[in-house]
Amino acid sequence: AQSVSQHNHHVILSEAASLELGCNYSYGGTVNLFWYVQYPGQHLQLLLKYFSGDPLVKGIKGFEAEFIKSKFSFNLRKPSVQWSDTAEYFCAVSSSGGYQKVTFGIGTKLQVIP
Amino acid sequence: NAGVTQTPKFRILKIGQSMTLQCTQDMNHNYMYWYRQDPGMGLKLIYYSVGAGITDKGEVPNGYNVSRSTTEDFPLRLELAAPSQTSVYFCASSIPGLGGEKLFFGSGTQLSVL
Repeated sequence: AQSVSQHNHHVILSEAASLELGCNYSYGGTVNLFWYVQYPGQHLQLLLKYFSGDPLVKGIKGFEAEFIKSKFSFNLRKPSVQWSDTAEYFCAVSSSGGYQKVTFGIGTKLQVIP
Repeated sequence: NAGVTQTPKFRILKIGQSMTLQCTQDMNHNYMYWYRQDPGMGLKLIYYSVGAGITDKGEVPNGYNVSRSTTEDFPLRLELAAPSQTSVYFCASSIPGLGGEKLFFGSGTQLSVL
């Protein structure tokens, strides 16, 4: 069974600081990887995803993530955070092929202080 | 497009009561899902459906039932509400593709069982 581990449950940063949120997954086969974001009072929405090709994936609002297969990792990064990035971030994984059940991590709450 | 619509947004139930959470999508997506989100636990899959007339259990199906008579609708039923079912419930839909599952989420239903 696939699983996702997010290392940081609550992160507090000042504006303009750099961000890296860790995500590791366990699954023996080929995977698709996702980061979803949930802004306060809103529903989850896709930030970025990886399914093949360039392991460095760029998403919306200046976010990027790098898939490192050897480390089973898909860390989310942003060079300079803004107050509007305050949200909860979920890493997710699905297996490639067939029915692609999506498994989520427990989430990381990011608080950006102006 | 409305996307994924969930009703109600909030509900308080007494122990032992029953209710149905409604979910409808207008994107003609084959796949639909019910997740529950608990603090510090991330999202857990309750049930999913790959098409009308086909449903299957997720990680935490106990205490819930679903049906999928049409492509658009995927209601979630709680028969005998218990305090452990206090949670935020999200319905989602997706369409399978080579790019991996992008989930479209509803705005959620906050349920309290007292």
